[in-house]
Amino acid sequence: EAGVAQSPRYKIIEKRQSVAFWCNPISGHATLYWYQQILGQGPKLLIQFQNNGVVDDSQLPKDRFSAERLKGVDSTLKIQPAKLEDSAVYLCASSHRLAGVLGEQFFGPGTRLTVL
Amino acid sequence: AQTVTQSQPEMSVQEAETVTLSCTYDTSENNYYLFWYKQPPSRQMILVIRQEAYKQQNATENRFSVNFQKAAKSFSLKISDSQLGDTAMYFCAFRTNSGGSNYKLTFGKGTLLTVNP
Repeated sequence: EAGVAQSPRYKIIEKRQSVAFWCNPISGHATLYWYQQILGQGPKLLIQFQNNGVVDDSQLPKDRFSAERLKGVDSTLKIQPAKLEDSAVYLCASSHRLAGVLGEQFFGPGTRLTVL
Repeated sequence: AQTVTQSQPEMSVQEAETVTLSCTYDTSENNYYLFWYKQPPSRQMILVIRQEAYKQQNATENRFSVNFQKAAKSFSLKISDSQLGDTAMYFCAFRTNSGGSNYKLTFGKGTLLTVNP
């Protein structure tokens, strides 16, 4: 079974530029999550989708971050414009359904963003 | 809101020895899951072990076991016979299991474990 795929793995941009990350969840997983992991901290949920609908985006900085999940499969996370404090690893995760089988989320390798 | 605290930023252990990582959490919920995730250097996060709050028996997965103290809101991870491949960042995480919630994971800040040869 293929895992959660993310691209790119690394990205370096200058502040005020735009960037987009892509995630392909495990086949059949209805729930998709985007987390931000700042160096030295645990992951923080940015947005959660159930199929193609948003379940929770309470911690998403909506003035600069946006995300979509067309057709309930792949998802993209965009930052426009980027700030220095956006430097982090962006993790995508998926689970079988909202509650998940015993709650397990499967994580992708992450995209490491550096904003200069 | 739930919080998860890992008070040990870094730990080290000699190969083949046993080490315990600490985690405490705060919640008003009664029905929830607790997890330990492992994040090796430059590799993706994987689930090590899970505990359902309504189960009194501590979970075990091969060399990994937990000490779940619900009243004390403590959830420690014990790694026996430590191996070099256990070197990683370990995150404790909480997830409610109550209906109507979004079931998001709340993570601690992590403990960097180094296993020395």
